[in-house]
Amino acid sequence: GAVVSQHPSRVICKSGTSVKIECRSLDFQATTMFWYRQFPKQSLMLMATSNEGSKATYEQGVEKDKFLINHASLTLSTLTVTSAHPEDSSFYICSAKRRGEFYGYTFGSGTRLTVV
Amino acid sequence: AQSVAQPEDQVNVAEGNPLTVKCTYSVSGNPYLFWYVQYPNRGLQFLLKYITGDNLVKGSYGFEAEFNKSQTSFHLKKPSALVSDSALYFCAVSSRSGGYNKLIFGAGTRLAVHP
Repeated sequence: GAVVSQHPSRVICKSGTSVKIECRSLDFQATTMFWYRQFPKQSLMLMATSNEGSKATYEQGVEKDKFLINHASLTLSTLTVTSAHPEDSSFYICSAKRRGEFYGYTFGSGTRLTVV
Repeated sequence: AQSVAQPEDQVNVAEGNPLTVKCTYSVSGNPYLFWYVQYPNRGLQFLLKYITGDNLVKGSYGFEAEFNKSQTSFHLKKPSALVSDSALYFCAVSSRSGGYNKLIFGAGTRLAVHP
């Protein structure tokens, strides 16, 4: 079955530094990848949608300069949290969708980011 | 605008008893409906989906859900709950208005199955 690998699973960084999270589709081509943020005991909030080879589309209220998304290939998307602050601490989850499928979403295992 | 409502923050059920986790949706056009489960500090695992066809959908781990168009509901059910079913459950919807691209999630329902 389809597998999406997300790394790292946990990361602790200092305020002001940047952190990169990777999302890879291991056995299929992901033309579209999605990045979500989840606060404790809350639902998933869609941050942005990225299509391979083009700029990401950010949801309203998400700072594109803070959350840099790159979808450089059909199997890799990255989310970089720049100049991280404690309020950026959260659980970040990616999902990937196959070319031509309208309902095939596969989720990564998530990344717990803690900014100290 | 698309939306999903999960009216219960938590559902408690005894092991062996049937369980229901409720979900209602609001979309324009035909919905694609999904249920996912999340264990602590993990991503989402797919349980089942309704795209078209039979209103009763069977999924992983013995779960099933029934699409009810008139009530705009897609409740998740299982005939006999297990302690290992305890987790956070999310209902999600996509539709033509979103290009069938974006998933909109409900707030989630925590299921607690007691021995």
